[in-house]
Amino acid sequence: AQSVTQPDIHITVSEGASLELRCNYSYGATPYLFWYVQSPGQGLQLLLKYFSGDTLVQGIKGFEAEFKRSQSSFNLRKPSVHWSDAAEYFCAVGEGGGFKTIFGAGTRLFVKA
Amino acid sequence: SAVISQKPSRDICQRGTSLTIQCQVDSQVTMMFWYRQQPGQSLTLIATANQGSEATYESGFVIDKFPISRPNLTFSTLTVSNMSPEDSSIYLCSVDGQGNEQYFGPGTRLTVT
Repeated sequence: AQSVTQPDIHITVSEGASLELRCNYSYGATPYLFWYVQSPGQGLQLLLKYFSGDTLVQGIKGFEAEFKRSQSSFNLRKPSVHWSDAAEYFCAVGEGGGFKTIFGAGTRLFVKA
Repeated sequence: SAVISQKPSRDICQRGTSLTIQCQVDSQVTMMFWYRQQPGQSLTLIATANQGSEATYESGFVIDKFPISRPNLTFSTLTVSNMSPEDSSIYLCSVDGQGNEQYFGPGTRLTVT
């Protein structure tokens, strides 16, 4: 069965510092991988996605993620965090065709001045 | 991308009553999804709704408790029946994008007293 693990429940970084949020998945074939962000009181917004091809994918708001098959990981990175990035971040894996997207538990990001 | 609206945005209900949540999409879509997000938790898929057929429920969710309608390609409703405080959650609808990503509505925050 598919599963997604986000090992960090919360992370605090200083504004301007770099960020890496970890995500590990379990899936038999090449997965569809996603990162979503949920700001307080908001729905989820897609940051980026990976299906195939270049393993380093660029997303919105300056985020990028790297797919590493050997490590079953899809970590999210940003070189310089802004205070507005404070939110909950969800890694997700989906089956082909868009059925059954499985979400990780989420990582809450706090940004300190 | 699809634009999704939900009604109501929030509600406070008494136990034993039912609430129907509406989800409207600005374009025709084949599949619509309903998720539950309990306080401080990740998203759990309740069911998948296709137009013209019965909704498909995930393990732990049943039609009697969460009846779903899907009368056309742009609209769906989820009813939370015979509510208890354990049903207090955010309920989100989503649709499948062309790249297998999901587009989410803003959610309905339900509190059951």
